[in-house]
Amino acid sequence: DGGITQSPKYLFRKEGQNVTLSCEQNLNHDAMYWYRQDPGQGLRLIYYSQIVNDFQKGDIAEGYSVSREKKESFPLTVTSAQKNPTAFYLCASSFGTGVTGYTFGSGTRLTVV
Amino acid sequence: RKEVEQDPGPFNVPEGATVAFNCTYSNSASQSFFWYRQDCRKEPKLLMSVYSSGNEDGRFTAQLNRASQYISLLIRDSKLSDSATYLCVADGDTGRRALTFGSGTRLQVQP
Repeated sequence: DGGITQSPKYLFRKEGQNVTLSCEQNLNHDAMYWYRQDPGQGLRLIYYSQIVNDFQKGDIAEGYSVSREKKESFPLTVTSAQKNPTAFYLCASSFGTGVTGYTFGSGTRLTVV
Repeated sequence: RKEVEQDPGPFNVPEGATVAFNCTYSNSASQSFFWYRQDCRKEPKLLMSVYSSGNEDGRFTAQLNRASQYISLLIRDSKLSDSATYLCVADGDTGRRALTFGSGTRLQVQP
């Protein structure tokens, strides 16, 4: 079955550490996105990518980095520069370079300990 | 002003009730609109797209009013399983090909 897979489901990070969240899709979607969701709040865009080897900053890119070396993969690194990283991270993908409905992964819940 | 604004609720309704949610968007150039459903601690799932002509899917009806820049979702004959948070979504700046999500409206259907 086609889908979008995020791993791990839960992640604990010590202060000062970088961590990488995985996002893989086999839907042959061109575009991929990372959003962050804090409790009781909406989704905020971190980074997005319309094609391989290209990506753009969203609204809250500071303290995060991404790569898009393969169409299927769009990993997100949460760096030590991100001062408040505890949140629910959602990866999504969509067809084309236009704006269409997204398919979401099941999310990664990151906690700083 | 937020790009997409929703009443956070919660809306507490009895089973069988009809409930309506509204949402406003700030970018008059927005072209694509959606309603997503999100269950507690889960990912959002696409409920329906919203078209200018309005669209219906079973008990759910979505409407778009471009002149007033608002989107609505009507749920008829509410079920317990409809309890969730409903996210209103629009495309944002034309230079940014990504969707903007509202903060969501929480619905609790009670027996």
